[in-house]
Amino acid sequence: AQKITQTQPGMFVQEKEAVTLDCTYDTSDQSYGLFWYKQPSSGEMIFLIYQGSYDEQNATEGRYSLNFQKARKSANLVISASQLGDSAMYFCAMRELTNYNQGGKLIFGQGTELSVKP
Amino acid sequence: EADIYQTPRYLVIGTGKKITLECSQTMGHDKMYWYQQDPGMELHLIHYSYGVNSTEKGDLSSESTVSRIRTEHFPLTLESARPSHTSQYLCASSVGGYNSPLHFGNGTRLTVT
Repeated sequence: AQKITQTQPGMFVQEKEAVTLDCTYDTSDQSYGLFWYKQPSSGEMIFLIYQGSYDEQNATEGRYSLNFQKARKSANLVISASQLGDSAMYFCAMRELTNYNQGGKLIFGQGTELSVKP
Repeated sequence: EADIYQTPRYLVIGTGKKITLECSQTMGHDKMYWYQQDPGMELHLIHYSYGVNSTEKGDLSSESTVSRIRTEHFPLTLESARPSHTSQYLCASSVGGYNSPLHFGNGTRLTVT
């Protein structure tokens, strides 16, 4: 079963507008962490933001914020005031407590390709 | 900025050749990982290491092997490259805390002809 699901293969947004990238996850662990990464066409993976399962508040990092709805098992990334440089693939990832005890690996979703229009 | 380096950046090689993809990090991280990614697709873990002399297979079966003789170095080797090995290989490291992100290198794009 897919642990991380990103249902939007591609998204378009107008420059300076906000955009939400969806991510739902599946885990039976009570403790887990959720991460978002950006992958430009050059291929490197850039860490954007982290949300822990016990964090009371939604995480924010500059123009990035995470809309965390634990009961719905969703962790959507919100990018405010989109810029042309935001055009990239975006990946949602999860670390379960089980995985932490087995090397701390991240499980990734399929990604969403975001295109920012001028 | 994470200090993790992968070489080569691009590699085109013929079938049957032995190749080693290099990965080094200067952050003293104990945990290191190799992920495989086809273009536009998700990342799949193929190997990881807890520290020196520790290596484990990941979720995706791979014909590659890894070694971890030094903390900073985690090379990946393919004894006999095949076209099915054509992919991007991403190396990552982590300080190991539960909320610690993985820091990735720039990747090696491998093409086997």
